[in-house]
Amino acid sequence: QVQLVQSGAEVKKPRSSVKVSCKASGDTFSNYGINWVRQAPGQGLEWMGGVIPFSGTTSYAQKFRGRVTITADESTSTAYMELSNLRSEDTAVYYCARGVEIVVVPTATWFDPWGQGTLVTVSS
Amino acid sequence: EIVLTQSPATLSLSPGERATLSCRASQSVNDYLAWYQQKPGQAPRLLIYDASNRATGIPARFSGSGSGTDFTLTISSLEPEDFAVYYCQQRTSWPSFGPGTRVDIK
Repeated sequence: QVQLVQSGAEVKKPRSSVKVSCKASGDTFSNYGINWVRQAPGQGLEWMGGVIPFSGTTSYAQKFRGRVTITADESTSTAYMELSNLRSEDTAVYYCARGVEIVVVPTATWFDPWGQGTLVTVSS
Repeated sequence: EIVLTQSPATLSLSPGERATLSCRASQSVNDYLAWYQQKPGQAPRLLIYDASNRATGIPARFSGSGSGTDFTLTISSLEPEDFAVYYCQQRTSWPSFGPGTRVDIK
């Protein structure tokens, strides 16, 4: 049974960057997609992008292209999401989620399980 | 971009009652639709995938139906732990989620 454990809460200044980690344990990491979904306070879920660790194949939502970078380190079974040029609207809980099956593109599968979430607060 | 709408926004029911949640897509997603449950302070959990398949460990009181643009999540008899927010998600194109339906205790 795979478990995803994310890094702790962050407070960032506008125009800075944040890098959130997601470490997998208990199951194969490399062939399953890891996707990132965020949730602003009191709001719904928003997909940001994903990666297949084995191949490095990435997919990004149009809204975040140029500002988000998603990577994975097979040696440590850890995925990363870096968001740059932060603004107040980026204040949210950021979740990683693994795909339920082996795929070649990270979006071609459903998301389960999820990490516990990482609160990123952007404030001057 | 495929837009998902969910109705109602809030559903107020009592334990033991039947819950029927709707998700409509702006264009056909075939059966590439899933339902997630999210409780306060927790991450979402996959309930139903490919429109009608229960995920591992999900009780039989949860069922999904539909195809194309109209989908339904049914909870046959609400248990106290089922009061939560439910999101639908499609992956025909870039993944997108509906705005959610909150199931409240009446």
